[in-house]
Amino acid sequence: SQKIEQNSEALNIQEGKTATLTCNYTNYSPAYLQWYRQDPGRGPVFLLLIRENEKEKRKERLKVTFDTTLKQSLFHITASQPADSATYLCALDHNNAGNMLTFGGGTRLMVKP
Amino acid sequence: EAQVTQNPRYLITVTGKKLTVTCSQNMNHEYMSWYRQDPGLGLRQIYYSMNVEVTDKGDVPEGYKVSRKEKRNFPLILESPSPNQTSLYFCASSRRDRADGYTFGSGTRLTVV
Repeated sequence: SQKIEQNSEALNIQEGKTATLTCNYTNYSPAYLQWYRQDPGRGPVFLLLIRENEKEKRKERLKVTFDTTLKQSLFHITASQPADSATYLCALDHNNAGNMLTFGGGTRLMVKP
Repeated sequence: EAQVTQNPRYLITVTGKKLTVTCSQNMNHEYMSWYRQDPGLGLRQIYYSMNVEVTDKGDVPEGYKVSRKEKRNFPLILESPSPNQTSLYFCASSRRDRADGYTFGSGTRLTVV
């Protein structure tokens, strides 16, 4: 069966450290992998997209890697700040059935001052 | 401002009373979709549309209808709502190439009693 798993429900880190979130998937053929941030009661906000032929993408303090052999993406936030505290969602834009965006369950990140 | 607008923001209704949640985007996006978000189940796609008059089922389409008569609008219709449709609903849109990810609306919190 198809699965998208984010490694943990919650991640607590100290301000200034690098947060690393993991997204693993099985039985998908993703064209793109996307990362979103979601605050409580709000809609997800797009952060980064990485294509299947790309290994790494950066945007300011954010970095995403994509390994289609391991079927895994890593999402890094460097020099983390309390304002980075939120739930982070990975999503596959895949070819399995038309053009659907399927989400993982999310990882709740808490950055402590 | 580029945005996806959903209405209403909150809605309480009774079982069986037909309702429509509206969604409109001002970015000339081809793709639009509806999601529901439930605790422990994450975001699940209900329906999506790749262009005007083209719609398709997502993972959880039962009990919902959609239409795409104009590019900017993608209403979600619940013909006979039931309590298990109590949820937080999000509309999203994207360009055909998805290069900027998906833009989500602010959400509609629906309670069916």
